[in-house]
Amino acid sequence: QQQVKQSPQSLIVQKGGISIINCAYENTAFDYFPWYQQFPGKGPALLIAIRPDVSEKKEGRFTISFNKSAKQFSLHIMDSQPGDSATYFCAASIWGNTDKLIFGTGTRLQVFP
Amino acid sequence: GAVVSQHPSRVICKSGTSVKIECRSLDFQATTMFWYRQFPKQSLMLMATSNEGSKATYEQGVEKDKFLINHASLTLSTLTVTSAHPEDSSFYICSARPQGQGASGYTFGSGTRLTVV
Repeated sequence: QQQVKQSPQSLIVQKGGISIINCAYENTAFDYFPWYQQFPGKGPALLIAIRPDVSEKKEGRFTISFNKSAKQFSLHIMDSQPGDSATYFCAASIWGNTDKLIFGTGTRLQVFP
Repeated sequence: GAVVSQHPSRVICKSGTSVKIECRSLDFQATTMFWYRQFPKQSLMLMATSNEGSKATYEQGVEKDKFLINHASLTLSTLTVTSAHPEDSSFYICSARPQGQGASGYTFGSGTRLTVV
């Protein structure tokens, strides 16, 4: 119930291409779905997040698509750049709760020039 | 924006000794802080939830006597790894969010790389 499944485990994309990472959750009480970006040796940083009242959110080159009925959400990185090479984690939580974030297993993205 | 400072960033200790890691919220107060552990190429595993002025809540399988957590003020939580062994070598990360903010307020420290030799 508390799991967040993430795929793929790793992703190699050419510069300028689209990177797509998918996540699925089970707990219907989750109502906050962030994506974090982590560089080696650093803590995760919030990239973009969505709540279930919208099906899509876009910030610059980053877009979250959310499918409430399927309990799935995905991150799209348009015009991927070598600087986007990092590990990406999806997560889920309950907005108003002091409860924890439940993290996906992570996707290591490599963008080649 | 909210900043969480973690210290030290790297520490090497001998097997059997104890190591203390500090997590500070620099510009906000946090009644709750979280401690995570991350092995290479793996996800963040929540170890415990640190509550200001009360006992920490540990996740299943985490030894509370080995990983001592103290949250003595609204801006400081510490994790002490007692009698460290090589298998405790890992990347430890803390997180906090300002009081009254929703889940978007979670901010992570930059992590502590612990190596036990």
